[in-house]
Amino acid sequence: DTEVTQTPKHLVMGMTNKKSLKCEQHMGHRAMYWYKQKAKKPPELMFVYSYEKLSINESVPSRFSPECPNSSLLNLHLHALQPEDSALYLCASSRTGSMNTEAFFGQGTRLTVV
Amino acid sequence: GQQLNQSPQSMFIQEGEDVSMNCTSSSIFNTWLWYKQDPGEGPVLLIALYKAGELTSNGRLTAQFGITRKDSFLNISASIPSDVGIYFCAGRQGGSEKLVFGKGTKLTVNP
Repeated sequence: DTEVTQTPKHLVMGMTNKKSLKCEQHMGHRAMYWYKQKAKKPPELMFVYSYEKLSINESVPSRFSPECPNSSLLNLHLHALQPEDSALYLCASSRTGSMNTEAFFGQGTRLTVV
Repeated sequence: GQQLNQSPQSMFIQEGEDVSMNCTSSSIFNTWLWYKQDPGEGPVLLIALYKAGELTSNGRLTAQFGITRKDSFLNISASIPSDVGIYFCAGRQGGSEKLVFGKGTKLTVNP
């Protein structure tokens, strides 16, 4: 099983809304990632959690707030987003963050900010 | 930050033809991964490479980890219409938690 599950698949939110994206994996992976992908562009790294601790924040605006409640779950809390934040948000996981391991991606959440 | 140069940007081929794409970097990478992404979906892992010179196959797909550890290529043999999509290379440097992506190769297969 190499499944990473993301919910919801689609989300439309207003600029004053607060919403959360969820990601779950049951592969025993200890590294989890959030990526943002705009149309016709490669995924861009936002955050890395390693052993439930935030290890990388790629200078992401504070309106994006990650959370890793346990080793299987990763959330991305959204607040006061801008229309330019509309994108496909991808979650990924790997056995560890730094050793030679594969990374598996979820199907993504298509976010539209209106 | 690290950059991966992926080429070509796009390819238009006839069904049955072979395809080759590659990624290069000015830095050494310890891991090379190749993904395929369909519109609106997440990237799906095709092949993972961990050793310089390693050649790995997955059905009609073959990928190699360059000897210099600064490049990798992906070949698709006897292409079929369902090969259509965007192919990304991704690499990780030793000890780094970052997985860096190339800009992608968009493949179109004409039946």
